[in-house]
Amino acid sequence: EDQVTQSPEALRLQEGESSSLNCSYTVSGLRGLFWYRQDPGKGPEFLFTLYSAGEEKEKERLKATLTKKESFLHITAPKPEDSATYLCAVRGGTYKYIFGTGTRLKVLA
Amino acid sequence: GAVVSQHPSWVICKSGTSVKIECRSLDFQATTMFWYRQFPKQSLMLMATSNEGSKATYEQGVEKDKFLINHASLTLSTLTVTSAHPEDSSFYICSARDRRTEETQYFGPGTRLLVL
Repeated sequence: EDQVTQSPEALRLQEGESSSLNCSYTVSGLRGLFWYRQDPGKGPEFLFTLYSAGEEKEKERLKATLTKKESFLHITAPKPEDSATYLCAVRGGTYKYIFGTGTRLKVLA
Repeated sequence: GAVVSQHPSWVICKSGTSVKIECRSLDFQATTMFWYRQFPKQSLMLMATSNEGSKATYEQGVEKDKFLINHASLTLSTLTVTSAHPEDSSFYICSARDRRTEETQYFGPGTRLLVL
């Protein structure tokens, strides 16, 4: 059964304190792994799509990496405006998108 | 690019009335749109997958007569909550898959529904 597990559930960082969020997955025939950012009361905002192990993508302070079993979202020198819930999702051979429960990130000034 | 809009952003209605929510892809064509429901501090729950010109595919446990979905064009899908009751109060979010970037789905801003 396709599954996505995100850790930690919640994370508090000081401004400038770099860290990583984890997304572990099991899926048959990975068609894509997706990262989204969601602010309270809003829809998820697309960040990255990764397709194969070894792939990396960057955007400002964020960098996403992918292996055959997990993906990391690295946040370098975060700022308070990076505070949000980060969602990971996969799409496999069943063509369904499976979402994790998210990591709630709080960056303190 | 890849902007999805939803209307209305919030709605309050009386129990027993029907509510229609629109989802539009503004700058791309979407052969597939998705409707999600999200409860506070929980992840997204897929309700149905909507393909242009064909009937929607509903997830197990979602009443298709309760949640009517129409995907009449490549840029518009609608969700109608029929005979709404307080338990239907929730945050409804649509997404659209850009046919140019086959796998990625882009989300709308969501619609907050409160049924009194």
